[in-house]
Amino acid sequence: ETGVTQSPTHLIKTRGQQVTLRCSSQSGHNTVSWYQQALGQGPQFIFQYYREEENGRGNFPPRFSGLQFPNYSSELNVNALELDDSALYLCASSVDSATNEKLFFGSGTQLSVL
Amino acid sequence: GQNIDQPTEMTATEGAIVQINCTYQTSGFNGLFWYQQHAGEAPTFLSYNVLDGLEEKGRFSSFLSRSKGYSYLLLKELQMKDSASYLCAVRGRQAGTALIFGKGTTLSVSS
Repeated sequence: ETGVTQSPTHLIKTRGQQVTLRCSSQSGHNTVSWYQQALGQGPQFIFQYYREEENGRGNFPPRFSGLQFPNYSSELNVNALELDDSALYLCASSVDSATNEKLFFGSGTQLSVL
Repeated sequence: GQNIDQPTEMTATEGAIVQINCTYQTSGFNGLFWYQQHAGEAPTFLSYNVLDGLEEKGRFSSFLSRSKGYSYLLLKELQMKDSASYLCAVRGRQAGTALIFGKGTTLSVSS
């Protein structure tokens, strides 16, 4: 069984640029969520996709957007990067969107904005 | 508002028992999770509580009191590999599987 994989593992961008992060969900999972983890903090929920539709969003501005594809893989896009966007971005998948479903996390993409 | 509190750091020695506490105030409650995260790695699932009481799984146990907004993670027979960050997370009223995480407790186990 293949786990959650994310690419790239590390990325350096400059302020104002745009970035796309990618995630392949675990086999059999149709729900993907994205989290931002700043240094020394817990992960913060960005949004969730269930069967290609966004079905939940945290307190992040519209320049954070996403997609989920028919194979349930997902992308996180961030426009107009700011210095505070520097963080570890975690993707998590689950079997479905039921409340008792545990999340399986990828190892994350470490984004540095200079 | 939503708030999850847990101690920032804890230290313990090999073979000992450690209890990591977590208190929460969230709008709605649909379960509490504990995750372990080693530095530079993905968080991995440890436990899930939705009803009051103790859930035991090997060396790890987790307790929940919904009326007190309180949980703890108990780690027995500590090993060096247990040195990690432990994240308490609550599923609140947000849609689907969104979790609200605490800042994490960094546990250092020494010999």
